[in-house]
Amino acid sequence: DQQVKQNSPSLSVQEGRISILNCDYTNSMFDYFLWYKKYPAEGPTFLISISSIKDKNEDGRFTVFLNKSAKHLSLHIVPSQPGDSAVYFCAASNGGSYIPTFGRGTSLIVHP
Amino acid sequence: KAGVTQTPRYLIKTRGQQVTLSCSPISGHRSVSWYQQTPGQGLQFLFEYFSETQRNKGNFPGRFSGRQFSNSRSEMNVSTLELGDSALYLCASTPGAKGDIQYFGAGTRLSVL
Repeated sequence: DQQVKQNSPSLSVQEGRISILNCDYTNSMFDYFLWYKKYPAEGPTFLISISSIKDKNEDGRFTVFLNKSAKHLSLHIVPSQPGDSAVYFCAASNGGSYIPTFGRGTSLIVHP
Repeated sequence: KAGVTQTPRYLIKTRGQQVTLSCSPISGHRSVSWYQQTPGQGLQFLFEYFSETQRNKGNFPGRFSGRQFSNSRSEMNVSTLELGDSALYLCASTPGAKGDIQYFGAGTRLSVL
């Protein structure tokens, strides 16, 4: 039973446009959400996070939006660059957890 | 500060064999977690060790085991390898508190023939 779902296995975007990666969760106890980025032959690296007390968090070109009522979050990358091409993992945890639950990932390809 | 180091980077084994993977966490980190990544399955949590004790465990069979040493280095062992064990095995370290961001190694690519 997947508690964190990334329903789009892949996404293709033109350089300079917006990339929107989506993530849904089923566990209402989740209160902390993270995005990791993974390049081939490297481990995932932390990108951005958001707490459930907020509905938006920005870091440069990356913004994460959280809609608690819909149990949905999204990662926006504006503008997209070819170097953003990677697999993006959504993860969620609750206050009592040491280990986040990861989604299956979305492979983003940004075309020059 | 050195990152998380996993060795070896690549392994080829045959069915029925056993394998041991190693992970050295970031200096000062006391928690090490292990994940299996397969195409289409994302990162599946195997187990987490903190101060030499298994603190959390995922839903994997008993063929998968691990341990942590007093210097926080961790090993993962898979016995009686199956074809389906072919995957990228990642370890991640954190200082050990709830909600800590995980720092991943580059992984060990295991191929079972």
